[in-house]
Amino acid sequence: QVQLVQSGAEVKRPGASVKVSCSSSGYTFTDYFMHWVRQAPGQGLEWVGWINPYRGGINPNRGGTNYAQKFQGRVTMTRDTSISTAYMELSGLTSDDTAVYYCARGTGPYGSGTGDYWGQGTLVTVSS
Amino acid sequence: SYVLTQPPSVSVAPGQTARIPCGGNDIGSTSVHWYQQKPGQAPVVVVYGDSDRPSGIPERFSGSNSGNTATLTISRVEAGDEADYYCQVWDSRSDQWVFGGGTNLTVL
Repeated sequence: QVQLVQSGAEVKRPGASVKVSCSSSGYTFTDYFMHWVRQAPGQGLEWVGWINPYRGGINPNRGGTNYAQKFQGRVTMTRDTSISTAYMELSGLTSDDTAVYYCARGTGPYGSGTGDYWGQGTLVTVSS
Repeated sequence: SYVLTQPPSVSVAPGQTARIPCGGNDIGSTSVHWYQQKPGQAPVVVVYGDSDRPSGIPERFSGSNSGNTATLTISRVEAGDEADYYCQVWDSRSDQWVFGGGTNLTVL
């Protein structure tokens, strides 16, 4: 069965960076885009970006990404196809970045479709 | 950027029908997906592609989409349906997911 398992909770100081992992199993990792969505305490869902895990393009290590404008310059999504794992790194953390971060498998190419399987979520707390 | 509007809350008595709207400019021309999220859990798709249900989702959950409003309808509401519900679309211009603000369903 399809499973997305995320790394554990993190506590970071303001200005630091955090890297969250999302390990997939039960399907071919490179066949589906991976999205990242976050949810601040008591708030709604906010899309962060997607990564195309398929190895290809000019930079075979890049894979293709698209980030929400709000996070441009601060977020980097990568993947390691050898272990079917996607990563999301967010830098320049502020208290506003305190949230649960989810990975979600996309049903369509690029941003189309929806998220049919989700990770359990990773709580990132930014506090001095 | 594309904006989806949902009411913050909807209340319904057990056994009645709940309707949760999701408003957006010409939303009827795109596919709408609906998630259910219970406290402390990840979202779960209950309706995708306007009106399709994933396997395991009860037939009580249905969706429609026309004009400027998409609607999630939950028939014969049960206490276990209490949750937050989010609509989501793909904004093809920016190639990103857009979520509505979410609606908290209360079963009276």
